Amino acid sequence: DGGITQSPKYLFRKEGQNVTLSCEQNLNHDAMYWYRQDPGQGLRLIYYSQIVNDFQKGDIAEGYSVSREKKESFPLTVTSAQKNPTAFYLCASRPSYNEQFFGPGTRLTVL
Amino acid sequence: AQSVAQPEDQVNVAEGNPLTVKCTYSVSGNPYLFWYVQYPNRGLQFLLKYITGDNLVKGSYGFEAEFNKSQTSFHLKKPSALVSDSALYFCAVRDPFGANNLFFGTGTRLTVIP
Repeated sequence: DGGITQSPKYLFRKEGQNVTLSCEQNLNHDAMYWYRQDPGQGLRLIYYSQIVNDFQKGDIAEGYSVSREKKESFPLTVTSAQKNPTAFYLCASRPSYNEQFFGPGTRLTVL
Repeated sequence: AQSVAQPEDQVNVAEGNPLTVKCTYSVSGNPYLFWYVQYPNRGLQFLLKYITGDNLVKGSYGFEAEFNKSQTSFHLKKPSALVSDSALYFCAVRDPFGANNLFFGTGTRLTVIP
């Protein structure tokens, strides 16, 4: 997990609320990613960013938003439009070579 | 379309026995393949990758993987399993057209029985 931090570790949200998940990396990686993990479904890509001030939708972007104002930070907002947000959220970053490095994750639960 | 399949949801093996976790892939062009491991409530840890070269790739914690182009497989192996190897294992393939994004399999839960 070293070099990539996610906070909080656990997050509880009431229906209708927006919440923001933090992801910070000190690895000087250009690319950053957000994934959602559900049991039995593996990881699904929400958003990714290859460079500061630029980001693209992944496979399941509806109900989520991101920003990339700094190289080190890639926060994810789960909006009230996301109908089933309870999941484990993983942030990753990637240097110029191929493998991605993952943070420890945030578990979001809707009450 | 790029994809990976992990045909086994669960693999059980006795401690000290060899283990294999299976992965098959479908990709346009040359495959870049990866294995990751996840312990409970943790992020994914990189184990190894195949980019090019030797078909047998060695990685962390004594794991290795064999790339087989004709069978489009990239099975993860270890000669002697440890109880501490019990975890969730993911195979992934790089999308050659999508900014180095990874497509992940659904995961295989490995349980090593003492």
